[in-house]
Amino acid sequence: KQEVTQIPAALSVPEGENLVLNCSFTDSAIYNLQWFRQDPGKGLTSLLLIQSSQREQTSGRLNASLDKSSGRSTLYIAASQPGDSATYLCAVKSGGSNYKLTFGKGTLLTVNP
Amino acid sequence: NAGVTQTPKFQVLKTGQSMTLQCAQDMNHEYMSWYRQDPGMGLRLIHYSVGAGITDQGEVPNGYNVSRSTTEDFPLRLLSAAPSQTSVYFCASSDRGLSGNTIYFGEGSWLTVV
Repeated sequence: KQEVTQIPAALSVPEGENLVLNCSFTDSAIYNLQWFRQDPGKGLTSLLLIQSSQREQTSGRLNASLDKSSGRSTLYIAASQPGDSATYLCAVKSGGSNYKLTFGKGTLLTVNP
Repeated sequence: NAGVTQTPKFQVLKTGQSMTLQCAQDMNHEYMSWYRQDPGMGLRLIHYSVGAGITDQGEVPNGYNVSRSTTEDFPLRLLSAAPSQTSVYFCASSDRGLSGNTIYFGEGSWLTVV
């Protein structure tokens, strides 16, 4: 059974700092990994999608890496801003033809002005 | 672009009542799914569908029923509501392909069972 763990559960940083969020998964047989952002009272918004054959994806100040063999992914946020404050979740797609997404419990990020 | 639309956004039910959470997508996605999100538990898959007429159980299916008569709609039915079903429910959709495929989520439905 696929399990996804995110560390840390919560992170508080001053504005402008670069930071790294971690995601690990137990079964390396994945199709892809996706990072999401969730604002309070809202749904999930996809940030970055990394295919199993890729090592990283970048979008603006965000960079996500994937090391499938070790079961790890990181989300790097450069020059953090208060507007980045949210919960960040990673999810892996695995499970054969009837695939499923398995989510981590998320990292609550607070960026202080 | 409507994307994934869920209704209602908020609902209070009494124990034993039944109700349906509606989910519709306008992207012609084959894959649709329902999740519940609880504090400390993360998102857990309830039921999913890989196309019209095809549904399957996820991690926590008990007490819920689904059907998929059209590509666009994937309603979630609570048969006899229990306080343990108090949660936030999210519907999601994507293309069916194994690789690619960003997942799109609805805004959520907050359900309280008293």
